[in-house]
Amino acid sequence: DIQMTQSPFSLSASVGDRVILTCRASQTITGFLNWYQQKPGKAPKLLISAASSLQGGVPERFSGSGSGTDFTLTISSLHPEDFATYYCQQSYSLPYTFGQGTKLDI
Amino acid sequence: QVQLEQSGAEVKKPGSSVKVSCKTSGGTFSSFAISWVRQAPGQGLEWMGMVIPIFGTTYYAQKFQGRLTITSDASTTTASMELSSLRSEDTAVYYCGSSRGPTNGDFHYWGQGTLVTVSS
Repeated sequence: DIQMTQSPFSLSASVGDRVILTCRASQTITGFLNWYQQKPGKAPKLLISAASSLQGGVPERFSGSGSGTDFTLTISSLHPEDFATYYCQQSYSLPYTFGQGTKLDI
Repeated sequence: QVQLEQSGAEVKKPGSSVKVSCKTSGGTFSSFAISWVRQAPGQGLEWMGMVIPIFGTTYYAQKFQGRLTITSDASTTTASMELSSLRSEDTAVYYCGSSRGPTNGDFHYWGQGTLVTVSS
């Protein structure tokens, strides 16, 4: 199975900050990397697929990059509603696997 | 817009089974794959398995092999997940998620989640 490792585990930041979350795969997944945002008590929401494809309705302050084994999710300027937990997920091969998540709080 | 509606919360005894359903609407049932993902209290997301209705195929994570059965019913556009031999560690919120294509693994649509509590 492909292991996904996210860092940091948690991150404290302020409104307006630029933050970068990272995700590393245990083997190459080319560009098959997805990012989700999850708020307490809610289902995850797909933000970015295929490493850098921003989903419709997702603010442009979110961006993704990377290929192979190393990926990043950047939030250019934090808004209050961005404080949540973020998960990466590889869809390169089965079983699909998620990272352990990065909790972003104030 | 595709919507996924899951069945309600369940409380089960250890050793029993639970079946959770995921009713889809607003899309073509056979055009996507449906996965099941669970989240134990305070923990991360864990992919369990999937069904591809158009191919009639299922895939399961090794961890759940032998205990998990995922099915789909095109007539009711519903996918279901049955987990047997329940133990306390199976207490979690179970989500169904669907991709936009039968071989895609990015989950664009999610159910609201079903809490399954395993307790004696």
